[in-house]
Amino acid sequence: EVQLGESGGGLVQPGRSLRLSCTTSGFTFADHAMSWVRQIPGKGLEWVGFIRNKDDGATTEYAASVRGRFIISRDESKRIAYLQMNSLRIEDTGVYYCTRIFAHTAMDNRFDSWGQGTPVTVS
Amino acid sequence: DIQLTQFPSSLSAFVGDRVTITCRASQNIGTSLNWYQQKPGMAPRLLIYAASSLHSGVPSRFSGSGSGTDFTLTISGLQPEDFAIFYCQQSYTTPWTFGQGTKVEIK
Repeated sequence: EVQLGESGGGLVQPGRSLRLSCTTSGFTFADHAMSWVRQIPGKGLEWVGFIRNKDDGATTEYAASVRGRFIISRDESKRIAYLQMNSLRIEDTGVYYCTRIFAHTAMDNRFDSWGQGTPVTVS
Repeated sequence: DIQLTQFPSSLSAFVGDRVTITCRASQNIGTSLNWYQQKPGMAPRLLIYAASSLHSGVPSRFSGSGSGTDFTLTISGLQPEDFAIFYCQQSYTTPWTFGQGTKVEIK
């Protein structure tokens, strides 16, 4: 069974940093890109960014709202994806979800498994 | 960025009803459109991918259709456990974007 679990969320002051971790099991981590999606309180879903799998160079892409402040990385040996959040702003407050990406083609990507989410409050 | 507009924003329906939710993209995205369901306090879950393919384990009363800019999610025979918020999402190009959501409530 595919399982994803986020940790590291909490209360942080504006301008400070926080690192989220996504621990995974039940699938071949190296085969999959991983993504982070957030949900602002009472609002919808916003894609934050993703990291490709190792074979695709583990390259990353980000939403404009976080580019230059957030960094996604992965540790293949630990099967963990990370979201390093720097220079946090009040508007970054929300629940952060880790997702597995199933990529069939370059334009057919879906978030096929989700973690339970971890709350981040910037205040 | 590709904008996705869902309508209606909310609807009320009876158990057993057929429900249709529409998602319109701001440009042609082929069939690079996914649908998710989110219940209160829970993570979203994938229902439909590539516009019309049913994700593993999802009941067959859920179906998707469309291509280009107009897409629909249909629930044929609404069940009590289906009341939730539904989101569409495009994977045609980054930044991947979501619709604003459609809340399905009990009538």
